Amino acid sequence: EAGVAQSPRYKIIEKRQSVAFWCNPISGHATLYWYQQILGQGPKLLIQFQNNGVVDDSQLPKDRFSAERLKGVDSTLKIQPAKLEDSAVYLCASRAGGRGNSPLHFGNGTRLTVT
Amino acid sequence: DAKTTQPTSMDCAEGRAANLPCNHSTISGNEYVYWYRQIHSQGPQYIIHGLKNNETNEMASLIITEDRKSSTLILPHATLRDTAVYYCIVRLSYSSNTGKLIFGQGTTLQVKP
Repeated sequence: EAGVAQSPRYKIIEKRQSVAFWCNPISGHATLYWYQQILGQGPKLLIQFQNNGVVDDSQLPKDRFSAERLKGVDSTLKIQPAKLEDSAVYLCASRAGGRGNSPLHFGNGTRLTVT
Repeated sequence: DAKTTQPTSMDCAEGRAANLPCNHSTISGNEYVYWYRQIHSQGPQYIIHGLKNNETNEMASLIITEDRKSSTLILPHATLRDTAVYYCIVRLSYSSNTGKLIFGQGTTLQVKP
């Protein structure tokens, strides 16, 4: 099966600019996650969707970050305006919700550099 | 979710077994142990998970102690491609939480020729 697709692979922007990341999960996977991974640290969950509804966004900086999952498939994560500390890899993951302890499958992420 | 403790780094000779330990002394009865690894510039990759019994798949074996307070991931014949950061994560069963994973710092495994 095809894996989780993310684009772009790399993005460089200046602070105060806006940026958007796109994720296409594995076909049929109901649950989608966005993680932020700062260099040298483990990934940190930003937001989780179940179909097109938000399940957990407690760690999402809502003053500048937003995410949506239209039609319960693809998802976009947006940052506006970006800060220097937003430089990180943004990872998307999906899982087949409802199948007990099915594992998360991750994409290769988008590496964001804010200058 | 219970907290896990892993060594920061480990070395292993190519062709030998790599044994990666993980302590999870506060694990509860309905929490699973998951292992993921992350190779440089890639997303985390699922390896294996278990609840009580030892588990084996094509990638690795997972040994969980009888009291479930620690576990060991075994890569039977490590290759240079196994060089990565390995994460041990304890997670509630899906019926009890959102299925999310909380990552720690992991163990950096360096396989040497």
